[in-house]
Amino acid sequence: DTGVSQNPRHKITKRGQNVTFRCDPISEHNRLYWYRQTLGQGPEFLTYFQNEAQLEKSRLLSDRFSAERPKGSFSTLEIQRTEQGDSAMYLCASSLKGQGQNVQFFGPGTRLTVL
Amino acid sequence: QKEVEQDPGPLSVPEGAIVSLNCTYSNSAFQYFMWYRQYSRKGPELLMYTYSSGNKEDGRFTAQVDKSSKYISLFIRDSQPSDSATYLCAMGVGTQGGSEKLVFGKGTKLTVNP
Repeated sequence: DTGVSQNPRHKITKRGQNVTFRCDPISEHNRLYWYRQTLGQGPEFLTYFQNEAQLEKSRLLSDRFSAERPKGSFSTLEIQRTEQGDSAMYLCASSLKGQGQNVQFFGPGTRLTVL
Repeated sequence: QKEVEQDPGPLSVPEGAIVSLNCTYSNSAFQYFMWYRQYSRKGPELLMYTYSSGNKEDGRFTAQVDKSSKYISLFIRDSQPSDSATYLCAMGVGTQGGSEKLVFGKGTKLTVNP
């Protein structure tokens, strides 16, 4: 499968715990994005990397959230001290700079439930 | 006012019907426009993208963009039960506009009844 992959697919955690999600983009894609989607809403942008550089961050990305893409390949999104309001689907997307005006391809998502 | 408005539905149609899905937007800097299909508990799947006013056709799907009215549409011809999903419009300003993020509508939930 050459699409975007995300792990884990589901995560249940207790309030106050830290969680980390991983995203593997399409292999030749140099851009990687994180979005969050809550029930009944469209995805909301969190952050974006071009290669290993984090170039854009949303106001939604509070200081409890941190994202990395250390070698310009896979990325991790960590949430510290989780809150019930963090329960959502976390989506990763990738694109290739210069191809089709930023056409983003999404992974299956990681569904987070904070108890 | 949200940047992108989309009627969440739900929309229910019989098999074979023509479906029209629409979004309006307020930011005139949006340069490119996409439609995604999302099945329950899955990631969005790209259906169509365009970055000019006019129509673009792909099989049973036609995307229409009217930048002067800030209005985009997706038409589905000969709808099938397998088209039952949530349809999300998305748009972006691009590098020249200073952002690579996509801004999404809420999504319209479509059910095609056999």
